[in-house]
Amino acid sequence: DVKVTQSSRYLVKRTGEKVFLECVQDMDHENMFWYRQDPGLGLRLIYFSYDVKMKEKGDIPEGYSVSREKKERFSLILESASTNQTSMYLCASSFYEKLFFGSGTQLSVL
Amino acid sequence: GDSVTQMEGPVTLSEEAFLTINCTYTATGYPSLFWYVQYPGEGLQLLLKATKADDKGSNKGFEATYRKETTSFHLEKGSVQVSDSAVYFCALSSKAAGNKLTFGGGTRVLVKP
Repeated sequence: DVKVTQSSRYLVKRTGEKVFLECVQDMDHENMFWYRQDPGLGLRLIYFSYDVKMKEKGDIPEGYSVSREKKERFSLILESASTNQTSMYLCASSFYEKLFFGSGTQLSVL
Repeated sequence: GDSVTQMEGPVTLSEEAFLTINCTYTATGYPSLFWYVQYPGEGLQLLLKATKADDKGSNKGFEATYRKETTSFHLEKGSVQVSDSAVYFCALSSKAAGNKLTFGGGTRVLVKP
């Protein structure tokens, strides 16, 4: 089975902190994605990557950046966390059109 | 741009009831359509998909038919179980959008014994 692992299930950070969310997949997938999930808004794409060192902006990239130094790892970075970034963050990798998701990280910014 | 609209929840049902979750979409060209399910405390997982008009996706007793004429992909199950309690997401993928998935807002379903 494909495994997508997110490093933390819950995180609590303070406004202005730099936050790193880590994601690792074990199936050698080229495509990886970061989404945020908010009630009533569904999933919104933040950033995605089709290859190592390659990144593309999604629908809501403001306030975020990403890093993909190795194929299996895709990191989401909040340069200066703000309260409106409190959300559930979901990482995914894909094989053709099928996405495989991690369990998510619930981030609270106080 | 592409968009997916699905009925708002929560939908509360009794066990063995019939479930329908409506989903309509707007997209350029001929998208592929998906239903993902998120069980409590877990990430999303693919439930079923359809890649062209009139295709029917099915899995775990759930079905959805790709209706191009009504731009819809409604999810149905004839007899739900408590274990079907989850959030269901309709999504589409189109070549025009670089095959990125666009999700609907999700519908929470609660099945009571």
